[in-house]
Amino acid sequence: AQSVTQLGSHVSVSEGALVLLRCNYSSSVPPYLFWYVQYPNQGLQLLLKYTSAATLVKGINGFEAEFKKSETSFHLTKPSAHMSDAAEYFCAVTGGRALTFGSGTRLQVQP
Amino acid sequence: DSGVTQTPKHLITATGQRVTLRCSPRSGDLSVYWYQQSLDQGLQFLIQYYNGEERAKGNILERFSAQQFPDLHSELNLSSLELGDSALYFCASSVGGAAGEKLFFGSGTQLSVL
Repeated sequence: AQSVTQLGSHVSVSEGALVLLRCNYSSSVPPYLFWYVQYPNQGLQLLLKYTSAATLVKGINGFEAEFKKSETSFHLTKPSAHMSDAAEYFCAVTGGRALTFGSGTRLQVQP
Repeated sequence: DSGVTQTPKHLITATGQRVTLRCSPRSGDLSVYWYQQSLDQGLQFLIQYYNGEERAKGNILERFSAQQFPDLHSELNLSSLELGDSALYFCASSVGGAAGEKLFFGSGTQLSVL
């Protein structure tokens, strides 16, 4: 079964600092990979999606992720954190027809 | 606003009771998914429907059931409720239900079983 592992349940950065959220996937075939964000008291919304068209995927709000097959990774980055980026971030992989989510990483942004 | 509507937003009930959660997908979306989010289990896929038919089943308990109606709205029925069923239940929809499609999530129903 396909799965993802998110390293670090909490990440804290200063405003303006680099954001790096880690995700490793387990899949026997090239997967569809996703990053979703959940703001407080809201549902999840898609940040970006990897579909094998390009290894570097750009998403909304300045986020991007790089697919590295050799490392089975799909880490999420943003060059400069903003206070509004504070949220929970989920990496996900297609497990059959439904998405299988990682355990989530809560991002805190310190002023 | 994702376009997915879930009602009610909050539900408080007692153990042993039965509740129904409702979801209206985005206009034009044929597939509906149900997820359960809890602190200890994270986000767990429960079930998927496509155009009224069950398409995929995940970690859904036998006490839980769902259906998708001809107008494409969906209901998740939870019965013989236990304390451990307290969670946030999300509905999501997508256009066709194929692998790799973007899911649009509702804002969830917070279920508290006392």
